[in-house]
Amino acid sequence: SAVISQKPSRDICQRGTSLTIQCQVDSQVTMMFWYRQQPGQSLTLIATANQGSEATYESGFVIDKFPISRPNLTFSTLTVSNMSPEDSSIYLCSVEESQGRWQYFGPGTRLTVT
Amino acid sequence: AQSVTQLDSHVSVSEGTPVLLRCNYSSSYSPSLFWYVQHPNKGLQLLLKYTSAATLVKGINGFEAEFKKSETSFHLTKPSAHMSDAAEYFCVVSGPAQIQGAQKLVFGQGTRLTINP
Repeated sequence: SAVISQKPSRDICQRGTSLTIQCQVDSQVTMMFWYRQQPGQSLTLIATANQGSEATYESGFVIDKFPISRPNLTFSTLTVSNMSPEDSSIYLCSVEESQGRWQYFGPGTRLTVT
Repeated sequence: AQSVTQLDSHVSVSEGTPVLLRCNYSSSYSPSLFWYVQHPNKGLQLLLKYTSAATLVKGINGFEAEFKKSETSFHLTKPSAHMSDAAEYFCVVSGPAQIQGAQKLVFGQGTRLTINP
């Protein structure tokens, strides 16, 4: 199974600022995924990040608000831009298991916007 | 299109009694189904998976689930609850990778399991 780390693990930010979250995997993977988990809610897919191409965003999420980078096969970043209190959530990255359809998740980044 | 409905937002059982967490799915494809567990302030852990092999699937920590196509269900069970089972449980569906967009994971709303001593 893949081992995934995220930085930072948590942060408290002021509205109007931006935060970049890093996701590092211990093996090369084709696709990486970014999810948002709002307080008390389930997970919602933000976007899929393939190395060497633009990220694919889900309905309701736009690149200007959540720019994603995927510079190589083991690393990705998600930026939460111009933050508001509604962006307070846990942000998780994941990778797909090479032989199946399930995904392994990172520990998450808990973001609080004041 | 795919969707998942977890029929109970909160389940409370006594330690040592059986656990049943209910999940119904909808999918236009032959689905893959998963249960994930999220302990407080922890990441998501894969509990078990169904990917078109045996319909009765055994997972970690004594959990198992049965895929019932006729009922479009994938309920999670455990014969005897332990205090450490207290967590949030998510039922998840995905479709075949060769269909664009179908391989995405679609999460249910979650069931919070409480274990009473």
